[in-house]
Amino acid sequence: ETGVTQTPRHLVMGMTNKKSLKCEQHLGHNAMYWYKQSAKKPLELMFVYSLEERVENNSVPSRFSPECPNSSHLFLHLHTLQPEDSALYLCASSQDLTGPINSPLHFGNGTRLTVT
Amino acid sequence: KNEVEQSPQNLTAQEGEFITINCSYSVGISALHWLQQHPGGGIVSLFMLSSGKKKHGRLIATINIQEKHSSLHITASHPRDSAVYICAVRLDYRDDKIIFGKGTRLHILP
Repeated sequence: ETGVTQTPRHLVMGMTNKKSLKCEQHLGHNAMYWYKQSAKKPLELMFVYSLEERVENNSVPSRFSPECPNSSHLFLHLHTLQPEDSALYLCASSQDLTGPINSPLHFGNGTRLTVT
Repeated sequence: KNEVEQSPQNLTAQEGEFITINCSYSVGISALHWLQQHPGGGIVSLFMLSSGKKKHGRLIATINIQEKHSSLHITASHPRDSAVYICAVRLDYRDDKIIFGKGTRLHILP
């Protein structure tokens, strides 16, 4: 039990579909993140939310739309994706974004997305 | 050029060997993370370092801030240590910006 739960674990979708990835954390953290991991590339930060407000959007295409209804839940809504969007999407959380001692990231197991 | 470089990219070793994975970075940082990613995709945070050395079981992580270098060591390696090990740095001039290395794929043979 990592404390960060992602669903679904695997998702196959067509380019015209609309789907959503869900992340839930039970750690009482205030910051949540979406990362993308493509084959043979480093993890890429997509979005950061702190206290349910988006604080960073790393030039992510608009076909990815995040939503953070509360500090425990984070969604990534997907529509009209491209095959190159196929990747492992990881959710993470941390206690907060500030303070002299930086808080470690806690990752979920990821959703492996395949766009056909 | 990546701001975080790991070496080696791939490492295969026999069970019991002492393993060293290196991470070099070219930016100012406030902390460095070592992460372990299992074959199924799940990631576990192993260490967060801002100076010195930390030890947890058979894992040891060191950091030299002046040289901008960190190492992750595994003593008495075991096949269950087979995973991808990722170095990540938290920048000191942008709130919570983290840059990841490409990872080192470790395979321990029984």
